[in-house]
Parts: sequence; C-alpha cells; structure tokens
Amino acid sequence: DVKVTQSSRYLVKRTGEKVFLECVQDMDHENMFWYRQDPGLGLRLIYFSYDVKMKEKGDIPEGYSVSREKKERFSLILESASTNQTSMYLCASSFLGAVNEKLFFGSGTQLSVL
Amino acid sequence: SQQGEEDPQALSIQEGENATMNCSYKTSINNLQWYRQNSGRGLVHLILIRSNEREKHSGRLRVTLDTSKKSSSLLITASRAADTASYFCATANAGNNRKLIWGLGTSLAVNP
Repeated sequence: DVKVTQSSRYLVKRTGEKVFLECVQDMDHENMFWYRQDPGLGLRLIYFSYDVKMKEKGDIPEGYSVSREKKERFSLILESASTNQTSMYLCASSFLGAVNEKLFFGSGTQLSVL
Repeated sequence: SQQGEEDPQALSIQEGENATMNCSYKTSINNLQWYRQNSGRGLVHLILIRSNEREKHSGRLRVTLDTSKKSSSLLITASRAADTASYFCATANAGNNRKLIWGLGTSLAVNP
C-alpha cells in the first residue's frame, strides 16, 4: 500500500522556535507538496518540489523554507515559529507525469504555536 | 487563490439516501478531482475527471462535469455512516499544471 508518512501527528511549539516537519513517501514519487489547512481558508500551497534539491514557492511561502535532499523526504521548516502558523500541515506526493493528478496525502500534523 | 466553491457547505442525510454535492470553478481546466477527508486526517483521492469527459463512475460515486457551466457534481449513492467526511474538489487549471486549486469543502454527515 502506498504511504506518505508525516513524522508527528500533534506538535506544540513556542513562539520563536525553529520547527521541522518531516514527510517521507515510499512510492518513488518525484513531486512532493506542503499545504496548510485552516478553517474557512481551505488548503493553501506553501511549497512544492518536483525533484531532489528543486523547490518552487506556492501561494504562501513567507515564514517557511523547505529541504529536499533525498527523493523520498521533503521537510518543511518554520524558521521562527509564530502564533499565526498554528495550523494543520499536510504533505502530499504525486508521480512526475501527473503533477496535478491524484495526490497522495499524509495524515497531517496539527501544529500549535504558543 | 481559491477558485473551487463547493455547495452546500454542509449536508446531513440518513443512511441509504443519496448525497449530492457541487463544485463551481472560474477558469478553464485540464481536470477536476474530488477528495475525501475524515475528521482531522489527510485527504484521500476519490476520482478524477478530465475536461473532455462528461461523466465518470467509481463504485458508488458518480461525477459529472459541465465545462460550459464550469461546474461539477459528486453523487454518492446509498450512503453509509462511513461516508461521513468532508469532500473537496480541486481543479488543475489549463496553462498552469503545477498547482491544484482547492475548494473549501462540503461537510457530509450520514446518520445511521
């Protein structure tokens, strides 16, 4: 069974902390995505990557960075966490030839920044 | 930016009834997809319909696409309590194939 695994289900951090959210997929997918989901705002794309060491900004990249050193792993970094980054974070992946078709999602990380 | 808009925002039905939810969008698309999200979990892909298709079936799911009206509908037949979830449409716009545009979802409650 295909799998996208996010390292933490729930995370509580303090304002100003550096936060790492990890995502690993076992499907050999080229494309990986980070979204955040907030009530009333839906899913918003933060960053995506279509190859190792490649990344593109999504709609709301401010305050975030990403790292893709290996094909299977895509990390989201909050350089200095703020309360407005409290959210559900969702990682997803897809095949190279289907960048916008059939995304596979992880279970999500609910991040609270206090 | 969000372009998909689901309708209704919330739907409550009895087990065995059919559930219909709609999605409208604003620009030309390559495909439209429906996803399900159980409470507090990740999204699961249900079905994809391409811009040159009008109807698609998958098990108890039926999706239609009307590109002239820029709208799609998802029908779940003979609903079950396990269908309780939020349902999202997402569009891949023609000319920008790197990003999906997501709607805000329809929350479906199926009562036993």
